[in-house]
Amino acid sequence: AQSVAQPEDQVNVAEGNPLTVKCTYSVSGNPYLFWYVQYPNRGLQFLLKYITGDNLVKGSYGFEAEFNKSQTSFHLKKPSALVSDSALYFCAVRPYNFNKFYFGSGTKLNVKP
Amino acid sequence: ETGVTQTPRHLVMGMTNKKSLKCEQHLGHNAMYWYKQSAKKPLELMFVYNFKEQTENNSVPSRFSPECPNSSHLFLHLHTLQPEDSALYLCASSQASRASGRTTDTQYFGPGTRLTVL
Repeated sequence: AQSVAQPEDQVNVAEGNPLTVKCTYSVSGNPYLFWYVQYPNRGLQFLLKYITGDNLVKGSYGFEAEFNKSQTSFHLKKPSALVSDSALYFCAVRPYNFNKFYFGSGTKLNVKP
Repeated sequence: ETGVTQTPRHLVMGMTNKKSLKCEQHLGHNAMYWYKQSAKKPLELMFVYNFKEQTENNSVPSRFSPECPNSSHLFLHLHTLQPEDSALYLCASSQASRASGRTTDTQYFGPGTRLTVL
């Protein structure tokens, strides 16, 4: 069965510190992997995606994510967190031969001044 | 703005009412989706339309009825809903391959409709 796991409901980090939001997945075949961010009362906004190639993907607002095939992970990272990064983050996967996205349950990121 | 709009943004309805949610995309995409978002749960895919044809119905109760009159518009018709249907309903669009029907590109989401069923 295809699935995405975000093991942390919430991540707390101080402004200026590095942040990591974790994501692991289980799909058959090669995955396409995505990160989205959701601000209050808004829809999901695309941050970055991995399709193929370099395992380190750079996206919007200084975020990046690293694809690790052996660990089936796609963790989201940022070297220096901002208070404005506080939001709900969703990891998603689409198996390459499937026209369907699977989303995690979301991780709430709190960045404190 | 992502190029996907949804109306209304908020809706309160009784269990016997009939209402419709509307989604419009201005991105030239040919695939559209309805998702249900409940607190602390993964997004639930409800329906998928590729080139105006429904290609996915994820075991959604018949009290939810989608309609896709053209590739830019998507509706979700609601009738005799239950309180547990209260949630944020998100519309998304993407570009799909006509040859394979598969979407290879990112989904772009609207702001959602916050639905409350009394």
